[in-house]
Amino acid sequence: DTEVTQTPKHLVMGMTNKKSLKCEQHMGHRAMYWYKQKAKKPPELMFVYSYEKLSINESVPSRFSPECPNSSLLNLHLHALQPEDSALYLCASSQDRRGGSGNTIYFGEGSWLTVV
Amino acid sequence: AQSVTQLDSQVPVFEEAPVELRCNYSSSVSVYLFWYVQYPNQGLQLLLKYLSGSTLVKSINGFEAEFNKSQTSFHLRKPSVHISDTAEYFCAVSPSNFGNEKLTFGTGTRLTIIP
Repeated sequence: DTEVTQTPKHLVMGMTNKKSLKCEQHMGHRAMYWYKQKAKKPPELMFVYSYEKLSINESVPSRFSPECPNSSLLNLHLHALQPEDSALYLCASSQDRRGGSGNTIYFGEGSWLTVV
Repeated sequence: AQSVTQLDSQVPVFEEAPVELRCNYSSSVSVYLFWYVQYPNQGLQLLLKYLSGSTLVKSINGFEAEFNKSQTSFHLRKPSVHISDTAEYFCAVSPSNFGNEKLTFGTGTRLTIIP
């Protein structure tokens, strides 16, 4: 089973709203990631969690706030977003952060976010 | 640092014809190579990967890719495409001695199958 589950699949929010994206995996992976993908572009890394601790923040604006409540869950809290933040947000996981044989990153289906 | 080049942004192919999607990479260290597929309005799915060993790797749906170290390439091929292969294909590389966050994607190739 190589499944990463994301909810909601679609989200429309106003610029003053607070919402959250959720991600879950039951593969025992200890590294989890958030990527942002704009239309017709490759995914861009936002955050990396390793063993439930934030390891990497790729200079993401503070209106995006990640949270890792436990080893299976990853949230992305959204507040005061801008229309240019509209994109597909992809969650992913891997055994751990180490690059290595078999340590492949698996992606979820994504959450389509529209900011109005 | 490494980079990935997918020269073809769009590739139209007639159904049942062969296809090759090109991927070249640049890296100062050894790398692992991946092809991910993104079907319309969906997330990324791992199609196949090269980590070590045999340079020819295959997927369950008929795609294959060959790692060519001298040409720094990892082209994706299928001998006969189907309508369901219509998707965006991303080549990606990850340095073998660094963290997974160093996974670098190409700009993608949109494969369109013509009935």
